[in-house]
Amino acid sequence: QQQVKQSPQSLIVQKGGISIINCAYENTAFDYFPWYQQFPGKGPALLIAIRPDVSEKKEGRFTISFNKSAKQFSLHIMDSQPGDSATYFCAASMRTSYDKVIFGPGTSLSVIP
Amino acid sequence: EAQVTQNPRYLITVTGKKLTVTCSQNMNHEYMSWYRQDPGLGLRQIYYSMNVEVTDKGDVPEGYKVSRKEKRNFPLILESPSPNQTSLYFCASRLDRYTGELFFGEGSRLTVL
Repeated sequence: QQQVKQSPQSLIVQKGGISIINCAYENTAFDYFPWYQQFPGKGPALLIAIRPDVSEKKEGRFTISFNKSAKQFSLHIMDSQPGDSATYFCAASMRTSYDKVIFGPGTSLSVIP
Repeated sequence: EAQVTQNPRYLITVTGKKLTVTCSQNMNHEYMSWYRQDPGLGLRQIYYSMNVEVTDKGDVPEGYKVSRKEKRNFPLILESPSPNQTSLYFCASRLDRYTGELFFGEGSRLTVL
């Protein structure tokens, strides 16, 4: 019940296209859903996050869509650029217990010119 | 510059030879944690600390020890490393247990022969 599933494992998108990464969770107590971006040789860094009281959050070309009833959330990268090539992790945690941050297995995104 | 610093960044060692990976943060964060990253498994929490002298096990604590004697430092100790501890390790910190964003170090790649 603590698991966060993520798909696809890898993704190749042409420059200018839309990248979509999907995540699903089981524990309905989760109330904070961040996405982290990791470049090779670097640590993950927070990209964007959402709480379940909203269905969508947009920051620049990055959008999180959240479906509370389906227990799913996704990251959309519009107008994907080669500089977006990285590994993306979705995660989930609880406001009352941020000790536990459960990460998905990650998606390796390659944006080709 | 706000950062989490890990050392060493790369280490090759042999089974049974004790080693310590240091972690230091300069943001006065209360919360610190250690993760290991393995292909297909994402980031899994090893240990975390909510404040000085307060530590607890994460999801994969076996074979590891930690200590938190100062707020800024959170070393990871492998008393008797084994090959299954070959992994990429990340230290992370955040302001406190109620703030979601994690700040990661750049990682320590450990190989145990």
